[in-house]
Amino acid sequence: KNEVEQSPQNLTAQEGEFITINCSYSVGISALHWLQQHPGGGIVSLFMLSSGKKKHGRLIATINIQEKHSSLHITASHPRDSAVYICAVESGGGADGLTFGKGTHLIIQP
Amino acid sequence: EAEVAQSPRYKITEKSQAVAFWCDPISGHATLYWYRQILGQGPELLVQFQDESVVDDSQLPKDRFSAERLKGVDSTLKIQPAELGDSAMYLCASPRAENTGELFFGEGSRLTVL
Repeated sequence: KNEVEQSPQNLTAQEGEFITINCSYSVGISALHWLQQHPGGGIVSLFMLSSGKKKHGRLIATINIQEKHSSLHITASHPRDSAVYICAVESGGGADGLTFGKGTHLIIQP
Repeated sequence: EAEVAQSPRYKITEKSQAVAFWCDPISGHATLYWYRQILGQGPELLVQFQDESVVDDSQLPKDRFSAERLKGVDSTLKIQPAELGDSAMYLCASPRAENTGELFFGEGSRLTVL
């Protein structure tokens, strides 16, 4: 079974700071997902990537397949970015083999 | 955007009582997942349905948990009797497309067992 580790577990930063959240996994994967979970509980998909880098607005996700590592970056952070960010990896078979990290709880203070 | 509907959003119950959660996945989607998320942890798969059939329930505590999807559309997850350790968020999800790990999640049902 894939072991997914996220760091940091908790992160508090000031508005405008550049944020980096890390994810590492133990076994080769077919894809990696970054998810966002707001206090209400619902989870939304931010990125799905299997190589390289993706950008959406102020969010950037990168993955290094050889090093089994991915990062999620937030530029010009804002209080509305406060949420739990979860990394999940696919080991083949789509969502059937999805393994989730424990999440990184991010708080952006005004 | 397509939505996965869940109810209730919140449920407080006493231990030994029965609770039930309902999920209506994206219309026409054959695959449905129930996850449990304990506070501070990532979601863990409880059961996977393909239409009305259970594909994977290896992590479902079958002595007290049951799940069904009788007509292959909406689904119910039941706990009887509830225990203190069952307090968690119960999430329902369906894939954006077949053979993809990208999921649409419902808002979840937060259970508190007293």
